[in-house]
Amino acid sequence: DSGVTQTPKHLITATGQRVTLRCSPRSGDLSVYWYQQSLDQGLQFLIQYYNGEERAKGNILERFSAQQFPDLHSELNLSSLELGDSALYFCASSVGNPQETQYFGPGTRLLVL
Amino acid sequence: AQKITQTQPGMFVQEKEAVTLDCTYDTSDPSYGLFWYKQPSSGEMIFLIYQGSYDQQNATEGRYSLNFQKARKSANLVISASQLGDSAMYFCAMREGRDDKIIFGKGTRLHILP
Repeated sequence: DSGVTQTPKHLITATGQRVTLRCSPRSGDLSVYWYQQSLDQGLQFLIQYYNGEERAKGNILERFSAQQFPDLHSELNLSSLELGDSALYFCASSVGNPQETQYFGPGTRLLVL
Repeated sequence: AQKITQTQPGMFVQEKEAVTLDCTYDTSDPSYGLFWYKQPSSGEMIFLIYQGSYDQQNATEGRYSLNFQKARKSANLVISASQLGDSAMYFCAMREGRDDKIIFGKGTRLHILP
């Protein structure tokens, strides 16, 4: 158990819908990262928050957004969902120092029908 | 160009044998970090081992060791005395400079045979 929690574990929804994925980092970690794992694209970095502020952005679509709250939990919002958004979404956390290891949560498996 | 290359899509190894999973990387930044993660069929990503570019010695964590050859830009994972529970997908990954994000390779699926 990495100490990072993600809810829900599974999510099935329809095209055009909006969903919210939630992540709680390990105790003491200030940075939260979101990654998407799909069959065709592999594991891709989406976005990073550090202590409530956006720090880095990767291959995140405009239909997706994220935020980190004062209690350091983070939410990833996916809207206008398409079939191709079906993937495993991981949250990871670290202390925030670039040399620190990122510990991954169990992931949320999203299926868009 | 691929930043992380894992040339072995799949491997079959007999239980108790040692395994080497290949990884080469591409960066011009002198400061970087290399990671290996394990992803079992249940889906979670498990951190295994880390090697910093300035580390003088190869990293080791229990049965895992990282064969770091800087000049060749190679960071192979060695698993000694493989076990059935080692069957999983293994990802090599890199972080460059002060960039926080991790770039992953496509992975190697390891099958340990009884």
